[in-house]
Formats: sequence, structure tokens, C-alpha cells
Amino acid sequence: NAGVTQTPKFQVLKTGQSMTLQCAQDMNHNSMYWYRQDPGMGLRLIYYSASEGTTDKGEVPNGYNVSRLNKREFSLRLESAAPSQTSVYFCASSGDGETQYFGPGTRLLVL
Amino acid sequence: AQSVAQPEDQVNVAEGNPLTVKCTYSVSGNPYLFWYVQYPNRGLQFLLKYITGDNLVKGSYGFEAEFNKSQTSFHLKKPSALVSDSALYFCAVRDRRSWGKLQFGAGTQVVVTP
Repeated sequence: NAGVTQTPKFQVLKTGQSMTLQCAQDMNHNSMYWYRQDPGMGLRLIYYSASEGTTDKGEVPNGYNVSRLNKREFSLRLESAAPSQTSVYFCASSGDGETQYFGPGTRLLVL
Repeated sequence: AQSVAQPEDQVNVAEGNPLTVKCTYSVSGNPYLFWYVQYPNRGLQFLLKYITGDNLVKGSYGFEAEFNKSQTSFHLKKPSALVSDSALYFCAVRDRRSWGKLQFGAGTQVVVTP
């Protein structure tokens, strides 16, 4: 079991460029989440998907979109990247809606 | 609204000494409480959780946490710290109606010196 995988591991973008962060889990979990981690602020929820076919906004959704492609995959898209979106992005999944299991993260730098 | 406070940015402890990482929370109703650990350049790893029942919860790697409802606290403890426990620790909470929406604290860096 790979658990939760994320691609890419690191990305540099210029302001205004777009990109999609990929996340996949092989634990047959129903729910999946996207967080961003910034120094001194812990993790903040961007979007989540309680089950295949549903998505909802979290605490900081502005500037992001998500797609729950199937039960395994949940992608995060930045349509027009801004320097404020420089962060480390984590995907997580949960089978019981309680304990979440995290991927290794994607470091994004927006210049 | 739910919130979590980790009052210490960093905790320093000598190897073999007890380790405590503090967490206080605010939720409406009964909370679900979690501790996660993050090693450098890695994702978060689940340590333990309190859902209901016994106030003392035991988790991975010898860690435990005590739920104190009157003080709205959920402090993480380990009787004897190891150098390998040096990492960033996060407390998280959600109220029982906010399905899946964890609120994380800012994190506490633990440094264990030999």
C-alpha cells in the first residue's frame, strides 16, 4: 500500500500560470481533503470531498478549484497562481471521517 | 466556531525526561480531538485521538494524551523522551457536527537533546 501519494513534489510557477496538483489514495477511503501549510499557521483546509461526486469549500478556498475524479483521486487546481499561494500543500484521506492520513506534500513556489 | 491553541512554539527537553506538549481548544458541544506529528519534509502522521470514553488516550510511539473537559485541554505526554521524538506536533479539533473539518493548531516544535 502506497497510502496517499501526491505529484509533483516541488513546483515553481510564475504569477498568472496555472497548474494542477494530483492526489491519489489506495486505501478505499470515501473522503479526501486538501490543506495548505504556512509557517506559524498550522494546516488550513482548502476543499474537501466527503464522498465521490461531492466537494465542499473549506476555510481558504479562494483561488482554488478541485475535482474528485473518482474514489481514488482528488485534484487541486490553481487557475492563476499568485505569490500568496506559495505554500506546502497536503492531501489527506479518511475512511471514517475522523482519522485523516496525509500524503508527503507538494512544495509550491510562485514567483 | 472551533479553534485550537498551542501556547508554546517550541518545547525543549533532555532525552529521558518527560515530554508535555500543551493544547487547548474551543468548540460548541463535545469535541473530537487529535494529535499529529510531522517530521522534516514529510506529511503528518496520526498519533492518537479522543472521541469518547476514557479521558486518557494511548497512541503510537509511547505517546498519550489526557482529555480534560473542564479545562478544555488535550495535552500530549510521553514519560521518557527520545531524540527521535524531535519533530513538529499538531493538535486538531472538530466538533461533532462539522463532519471532516479539522481545525489545526499552529504547531509546537519539540527538540529533544541527548
